[in-house]
Amino acid sequence: KNEVEQSPQNLTAQEGEFITINCSYSVGISALHWLQQHPGGGIVSLFMLSSGKKKHGRLIATINIQEKHSSLHITASHPRDSAVYICAAPGSGAQKLVFGQGTRLTINP
Amino acid sequence: DAGITQSPRHKVTETGTPVTLRCHQTENHRYMYWYRQDPGHGLRLIHYSYGVKDTDKGEVSDGYSVSRSKTEDFLLTLESATSSQTSVYFCAISYTNSSTNEKLFFGSGTQLSVL
Repeated sequence: KNEVEQSPQNLTAQEGEFITINCSYSVGISALHWLQQHPGGGIVSLFMLSSGKKKHGRLIATINIQEKHSSLHITASHPRDSAVYICAAPGSGAQKLVFGQGTRLTINP
Repeated sequence: DAGITQSPRHKVTETGTPVTLRCHQTENHRYMYWYRQDPGHGLRLIHYSYGVKDTDKGEVSDGYSVSRSKTEDFLLTLESATSSQTSVYFCAISYTNSSTNEKLFFGSGTQLSVL
């Protein structure tokens, strides 16, 4: 069983909708990463957060350490937000990240 | 992008042949990683390095070896490629900046096909 679980696996929405992607993890962590992988394959780090909330443009990431849960929100979604979103948390070693399987987001115009 | 380049970007090879993938960085970061990405799986760690000549195994290290003779280069070698090693391979680096935020950067990936 993966230590990091994401939901949903696939999400299709209309432009302008508010998007939420969830990430649950089974290990105690100090920080969690959210990544974005575009159709071309490149992977970009969006956030690293260890508590509370971070915001960058239309993207908001929250984390609840006690509940071992994080969410990524996208406000006013746009077709260019279509990508795979991946969360990652430290595994058994401090430098070993465990990745979720990703959420494939499609935003239709 | 923290100056990460992977080479080659694409490679097709035959079963049983040796293959070496190269990851090069320009900013002297200590930690470097090799991952593979396959459908139905998240990114999985193959090997990582925490300094020159300092490497350790990840969760899917069988059939792979690595070397880091210089800070800037981290090589992944498939000694005898098998079809199960057909995958997309990503190199990554991580470092902690002055704000104690861990930064994570990925290379563009290498699509490897073993026929």
